[in-house]
Amino acid sequence: DVKVTQSSRYLVKRTGEKVFLECVQDMDHENMFWYRQDPGLGLRLIYFSYDVKMKEKGDIPEGYSVSREKKERFSLILESASTNQTSMYLCASRRDRISSGANVLTFGAGSRLTVL
Amino acid sequence: GQNIDQPTEMTATEGAIVQINCTYQTSGFNGLFWYQQHAGEAPTFLSYNVLDGLEEKGRFSSFLSRSKGYSYLLLKELQMKDSASYLCAVLNNNDMRFGAGTRLTVKP
Repeated sequence: DVKVTQSSRYLVKRTGEKVFLECVQDMDHENMFWYRQDPGLGLRLIYFSYDVKMKEKGDIPEGYSVSREKKERFSLILESASTNQTSMYLCASRRDRISSGANVLTFGAGSRLTVL
Repeated sequence: GQNIDQPTEMTATEGAIVQINCTYQTSGFNGLFWYQQHAGEAPTFLSYNVLDGLEEKGRFSSFLSRSKGYSYLLLKELQMKDSASYLCAVLNNNDMRFGAGTRLTVKP
């Protein structure tokens, strides 16, 4: 089974702090994604990456950046955390670029971030 | 705009059947996914529909009508472990849009 591992399950940070959320997948997937999940809003795409050193903005990239230096690792960075970034952050990976029934997103368990 | 709507919460009884609906309005359509997410855990893939009709996988079935912009997930012989959130997601080209999820509670 593909495993997507997020390093921190729970984090509490202060406004203005720099926050790193790490994600590692172990099945050589080329595509990796960062979503945030908020009640009533569903999953919203922040950033994604189709290859090492490549990144593309999703629907809500403001206030976030990402880094993909190695194929298996995709990091989400909050340069200066704000209270409205309190959320559940989900990392996902997918083998191929095009989604299908045979090529689905595999998610990590999530990182719950609280910004005080 | 793009809308994906599903009920916020549902409750059903162990052993019963429950149908979770999802309606969508998107500029394009290339497939519809259902995911299950237990509290505090990762969403896991349940089903994928790209053509109209019913796809059956054991106790779970998913139906799609593209002309109506409508899908449902049918869960039979409900078990307590089916208590979870169920996420509907629509694929448009390579852009995946998620609904807010339906939280299902199964009671004894």
